[in-house]
Amino acid sequence: DAGVTQSPTHLIKTRGQQVTLRCSPKSGHDTVSWYQQALGQGPQFIFQYYEEEERQRGNFPDRFSGHQFPNYSSELNVNALLLGDSALYLCASSLVPGTGVYEQYFGPGTRLTVT
Amino acid sequence: QKEVEQDPGPLSVPEGAIVSLNCTYSNSAFQYFMWYRQYSRKGPELLMYTYSSGNKEDGRFTAQVDKSSKYISLFIRDSQPSDSATYLCAMRSDYKLSFGAGTTVTVRA
Repeated sequence: DAGVTQSPTHLIKTRGQQVTLRCSPKSGHDTVSWYQQALGQGPQFIFQYYEEEERQRGNFPDRFSGHQFPNYSSELNVNALLLGDSALYLCASSLVPGTGVYEQYFGPGTRLTVT
Repeated sequence: QKEVEQDPGPLSVPEGAIVSLNCTYSNSAFQYFMWYRQYSRKGPELLMYTYSSGNKEDGRFTAQVDKSSKYISLFIRDSQPSDSATYLCAMRSDYKLSFGAGTTVTVRA
């Protein structure tokens, strides 16, 4: 049973450039969330996608956008990169919450360095 | 004030000791509470989740939640060098998780 996968593993970009990160959810999961984790900090929620729509968004500027495909995989796009965007970007997948707890499973992350 | 406060440590204990980790929170909307373990340069791994106040045990791990005090804890019994990692508390409201900063734990052989 494949877990959450992310690509690429590492990425180096220059200020002002644009980047696209990719995520495939765990088998059987239909919801994808993206988080940014700066060095020495806990992950910060960027947004969540369900049924190809953004369902909830954290406190991130519009430079951060995403997409979910019919097969539930997702992309995170960041435009006009800043040095402060350097971080580990984590994707988490889960099932749609019903009346109980739903667990988010994380991928290994994509480490983005902006120079 | 952050929604979730967690002492970053670092915490260093001898093998076999009990590791005690805790977080406090301010948002009463948090309903579900989780602990994740994160090894260096890896994604967080879910260890435990709880909903109600009280204790939940899983092997060497015990999670405690006190909603009246807005305080959660994780205890690791008989700690092993392989438990050396960063431990993150997380809390859910709506669809998102809010994390603490993480506590770095080293278990010395």
